[in-house]
Amino acid sequence: EAGVAQSPRYKIIEKRQSVAFWCNPISGHATLYWYQQILGQGPKLLIQFQNNGVVDDSQLPKDRFSAERLKGVDSTLKIQPAKLEDSAVYLCASSFAGEQYFGPGTRLTVT
Amino acid sequence: GIQVEQSPPDLILQEGANSTLRCNFSDSVNNLQWFHQNPWGQLINLFYIPSGTKQNGRLSATTVATERYSLLYISSSQTTDSGVYFCAVDNSGYALNFGKGTSLLVTP
Repeated sequence: EAGVAQSPRYKIIEKRQSVAFWCNPISGHATLYWYQQILGQGPKLLIQFQNNGVVDDSQLPKDRFSAERLKGVDSTLKIQPAKLEDSAVYLCASSFAGEQYFGPGTRLTVT
Repeated sequence: GIQVEQSPPDLILQEGANSTLRCNFSDSVNNLQWFHQNPWGQLINLFYIPSGTKQNGRLSATTVATERYSLLYISSSQTTDSGVYFCAVDNSGYALNFGKGTSLLVTP
């Protein structure tokens, strides 16, 4: 069974530029999460989808971050414009019956 | 939200030694998972263990839900066990709340 796929794996951008990340969850997993992991800390939730609806986006900085999950499968997370403090690893996870599985992450560096 | 505390924050072991990592949480949980984050950043699922005891090779875990803690045991440690171990919990059917992790270094 294929795991959670993410791309790109690495991205370097300048502040005020925009960037997008893509996630393909495990087949059949209705719930999809985006987490942000800053160096030295545990991951923190940005947004949770159930199928193509948003369950929780209370921690998403909506002035610059947006996410969508069209057709309830793939998801994209966008940052526009990026700030220096957005440098982090962005992790996508999916779950079916409680247990969450994580993708390899996208390491974003904002210079 | 639910608080998660992990101890110790850092641990250095010689290859072959055993260790116990602890996770305390502040409320009842629906979900508790242990992860190993390898040096490349990948979070690897170790255990899904909201209660009870499980074993997988050299690793085992126990969660005592009524006392709000979980333990991860690593026996006969190997250098490939190095990395950060995270405990994460959920009590509302939503996202996982992670602890700060235990950074483990196993030396030859």
